[in-house]
Amino acid sequence: DAKTTQPNSMESNEEEPVHLPCNHSTISGTDYIHWYRQLPSQGPEYVIHGLTSNVNNRMASLAIAEDRKSSTLILHRATLRDAAVYYCILRGVGGGSNYKLTFGKGTLLTVNP
Amino acid sequence: DTEVTQTPKHLVMGMTNKKSLKCEQHMGHRAMYWYKQKAKKPPELMFVYSYEKLSINESVPSRFSPECPNSSLLNLHLHALQPEDSALYLCASSLGTGLSQNTEAFFGQGTRLTVV
Repeated sequence: DAKTTQPNSMESNEEEPVHLPCNHSTISGTDYIHWYRQLPSQGPEYVIHGLTSNVNNRMASLAIAEDRKSSTLILHRATLRDAAVYYCILRGVGGGSNYKLTFGKGTLLTVNP
Repeated sequence: DTEVTQTPKHLVMGMTNKKSLKCEQHMGHRAMYWYKQKAKKPPELMFVYSYEKLSINESVPSRFSPECPNSSLLNLHLHALQPEDSALYLCASSLGTGLSQNTEAFFGQGTRLTVV
């Protein structure tokens, strides 16, 4: 399985932007970069995903490096409700086990009021 | 309806009991997943079903037995569990496994299992 590396924890202040980094130097050409988050006592929740181009949705933005070996999840204005563990996951397609969604350790984001 | 519903929410069972966890989705998803999550750890993949067929078993002990009776339902049958099997069991679903189906997975809220 392609691996990702994330900082164990990060801290932010409310209403400030947050940039959560992820390194994935062994990414293959067909791996999509997915981000999920898990709030306390809840199941994981999809945040965003992309392949090569930067992506935006109502929750966040995903900036993907040109060589695809790293990416950054951007929360534009952190709120207290964004405090969670954020997981960066590489997900392939097609046969075998490429499409597994395998969680790494993630980044625990703390948001200060 | 974008929900994955898991029942029961909490379950306490003895080591000689047989119980089942249930997961249901009505989004037309054809890939369904079971995960196990211990406290302060990331979810660990157990099983994947694709089009109602078991496609991935991550070397899970046979005391856990998955079943996919139809495209909307996923069960996890439990028998002779150990206290160390106590964990949060999460179900998830996604559209499928093909190139055009690399979309998001939806997770249920989990079943908190305690084995005594």
